[in-house]
Amino acid sequence: DGGITQSPKYLFRKEGQNVTLSCEQNLNHDAMYWYRQDPGQGLRLIYYSQIVNDFQKGDIAEGYSVSREKKESFPLTVTSAQKNPTAFYLCASSIQGRDGSEQFFGPGTRLTVL
Amino acid sequence: AQSVTQLDSQVPVFEEAPVELRCNYSSSVSVYLFWYVQYPNQGLQLLLKYLSGSTLVKGINGFEAEFNKSQTSFHLRKPSVHISDTAEYFCAVTKNAGGTSYGKLTFGQGTILTVHP
Repeated sequence: DGGITQSPKYLFRKEGQNVTLSCEQNLNHDAMYWYRQDPGQGLRLIYYSQIVNDFQKGDIAEGYSVSREKKESFPLTVTSAQKNPTAFYLCASSIQGRDGSEQFFGPGTRLTVL
Repeated sequence: AQSVTQLDSQVPVFEEAPVELRCNYSSSVSVYLFWYVQYPNQGLQLLLKYLSGSTLVKGINGFEAEFNKSQTSFHLRKPSVHISDTAEYFCAVTKNAGGTSYGKLTFGQGTILTVHP
């Protein structure tokens, strides 16, 4: 059963700690994306990757880091430099990062920083 | 750069009534347009998309949208809603730029559709 998995579903961390969110896809997609969702603000792009070992900053990359060592995996690290990390984080993938390609989304991780 | 405005943050409607969720976009180049639906605490699911051709696009669950280039709009409609349509709906746009925008989506702020019995 192909899809995108994100883990954990809920995550709690203390302020000042780094935390890594997992994203795995078995769709054989080349492109992967990380979005942040806040109430009333829609989704904002954090990072995206078109191919293994390559990634680019999105609109709100400050305080976040990513890696793309394997095609199926695109973990996101929320660092202590992120001023307001509490949010719902969504990972997505598409066959190729072409204009018009449908993006498939994972179920999301809700991060709460205490 | 593109931008997307969803004109209503919340839309309450009674079951079996018609509904329209409004979306306007701004872009200096031609665009591709999408509507996604999000059920509570879940990811997004594609409802429909406009790439080219007929301006009336039909999607899943009985939804349709019409691309209006002159009014830069892409409103979502359903003739008769069900309780199960209660969700948040997002309009999104990406540039039609020959692949150079890497499929990056710009989303609107979302419209919460609540269907009452």
